[in-house]
Amino acid sequence: GAVVSQHPSRVICKSGTSVKIECRSLDFQATTMFWYRQFPKKSLMLMATSNEGSKATYEQGVEKDKFLINHASLTLSTLTVTSAHPEDSSFYICSARDLGNRDTQYFGPGTRLTVL
Amino acid sequence: EDKVVQSPLSLVVHEGDTVTLNCSYEVTNFRSLLWYKQEKKAPTFLFMLTSSGIEKKSGRLSSILDKKELFSILNITATQTGDSAIYLCAGRVNTDKLIFGTGTRLQVFP
Repeated sequence: GAVVSQHPSRVICKSGTSVKIECRSLDFQATTMFWYRQFPKKSLMLMATSNEGSKATYEQGVEKDKFLINHASLTLSTLTVTSAHPEDSSFYICSARDLGNRDTQYFGPGTRLTVL
Repeated sequence: EDKVVQSPLSLVVHEGDTVTLNCSYEVTNFRSLLWYKQEKKAPTFLFMLTSSGIEKKSGRLSSILDKKELFSILNITATQTGDSAIYLCAGRVNTDKLIFGTGTRLQVFP
């Protein structure tokens, strides 16, 4: 089956630093990737849709200057949390849509961010 | 505003019981309804439902969609402890965006 990886799986950083999270589709091409965040015992909330070679589309209430998304290739999207604060601590999950099968999204294993 | 609501929020059963999880949705430009199982990490795909009234089945799990009532159910028969997880349903819109419900936390005890 299709595999999506995320790196790092866990990161702890100091307040004010920036953190980059990578999402890779390992055995398929993905023109579109999605970034979600999930708070404890809550559901996944879509943050933005990342399209290869173009600007990301952000959901209402998500600051694009705070959460920078880059989708430079068909297999890689990155999310950078800039000037992280403790309230940014969350579980960040990406999903990738298979170019060859648009109906299917595959989820990465997630990245747990803790900002001290 | 697009909305997906799941019930119950939490369910505790014994092994061997049958459970029914509910999902109602109000999603504009609706394309399909998806069910996922989430254990400790990211969700794993269970079913995608596009047409009303056609049951999808995978082992002890089955699901069906009612597009008139904007409703879907996920059934798990003969539950096992390994079924313990959060079950998420999501409405998929025509831009492929997924709108997730709050999830149902299922705990199966021996």
